[in-house]
Parts: sequence; C-alpha cells; structure tokens
Amino acid sequence: DIQMTQSPSSLSASVGDRVTITCRASQSISSYLNWYQQKPGKAPKLLIYAASNLQGGVPSRFSGSGSGTDFTLTISSLQPEDFATYYCQQSYTTPRTFGPGTKVDIK
Amino acid sequence: QVQLQESGPGLVEPSQTLSLTCTVSGGSISSGSFYWSWIRQPAGKGLEWIGRIFSSGSTTYNPSLKSRVTISIDTSKNQFSLKLTSVTAADTAVYYCARVGPGGLALNNYFDYWGQGTLVTVSS
Repeated sequence: DIQMTQSPSSLSASVGDRVTITCRASQSISSYLNWYQQKPGKAPKLLIYAASNLQGGVPSRFSGSGSGTDFTLTISSLQPEDFATYYCQQSYTTPRTFGPGTKVDIK
Repeated sequence: QVQLQESGPGLVEPSQTLSLTCTVSGGSISSGSFYWSWIRQPAGKGLEWIGRIFSSGSTTYNPSLKSRVTISIDTSKNQFSLKLTSVTAADTAVYYCARVGPGGLALNNYFDYWGQGTLVTVSS
C-alpha cells in the first residue's frame, strides 16, 4: 500500500493567515493526489483533484501543487469557514489511501 | 445534483454481519461509467477506503478487509450495498458511500459526491 503522511498534524492560525499543509507519499504517485476538507459531523468535501485542479465551487484561495511524492495545499487567506481537518488522498493505485489529516483551528 | 444516502442498522453484534445500502438520486447509477465506493472513519480517526464497484458489477477491495467484504450493486433500485462479516469493535465507525468521479476513462479519479455518513456501532 502507498502510505500517505501529512504535516503538521495540527496548526493554529488566525483569519487572514496564509496556511500551508504538506502531504508526502511513500512512492511516486505522479499527480494522482486529491485534497478534501472535513468539518465535524460532516462528510469530506473535495477541494483539489489531480494535485492542482480546483473543484467547481471551491474558493480560489485554495490551491494545490506538487508531483511525485511531495504535495502542498495552500490557503492564501484563511477564512472563518476554513477551520476544519484536511486530508490528502492518492488515486495512483488501489487500495486508495488517505493521509492522517491536518486539523486547522483558531489561534 | 447527485445525492447519496446511506441506510442500515446502527448497531451490530460482534461476529455478525454489517449490512449497509447506499441509495443514489439525481442520476442513474449505471450511467457515466462511474465507480461507487465505501469509505469508513472510526471516531476521531482518519479515513479508510473499503472498496468500490463499477456499474457492471466489477469490484475492487482493500486487501486489509477483502476476506470479509462484499460490495454489490442493484441498478434497478439505483443502489449499491456493503456487507462486512465477522465484525468486531474495531469495525465501529461512520460509514460513507461516495461516487468516484469524474467517470469515463479518466486516469485520475476522486470522491466527488459523498453521503452524509452513518454510524455503525459493534457491540453486544
């Protein structure tokens, strides 16, 4: 299985901050990397697919980059509704695997 | 707008079989060449992919669960289902069904529509 790691596991930030979350795969996955946002009690929501493509309806303050083994999710200016847990997920091979998540909370 | 809704017992006894159904609305489960997946999440933990099924009935399972999992599809009811046998407390989780987009022959795919999730507790 491809192992996904994320850093940091949690972070505290203020509204307006620029936030960067890193995801690393245990082997190269090309650009087969997706990002999801999950709020408490809710299903995950797709933000970014294929490493850098913004899903329809997702604000442009979210962006993704990377290829191979190292990927980044950036929130350019954190908004109150962005406090959530973020997961990366590889779609290079089965079984599909997710990172452990990064919780973004209010400083 | 595609919508998915999980249904099934919220409590299952140890060693029994967990059975859940996902009802898809807003589109035909057999059109667009989509895979349909089950994913679970224990309380306070991360997401685990259980497996997927294509509209033709072809399945792929997570090897960690393969010996206990069956995913099936009923196109006449626009539903797909999960059965997990010999459950233990470790199978207690919120279970999600999800559509695997974008469909067709896309090499990169992702979970673009999700159900709200249903909590299944394994306990006597």
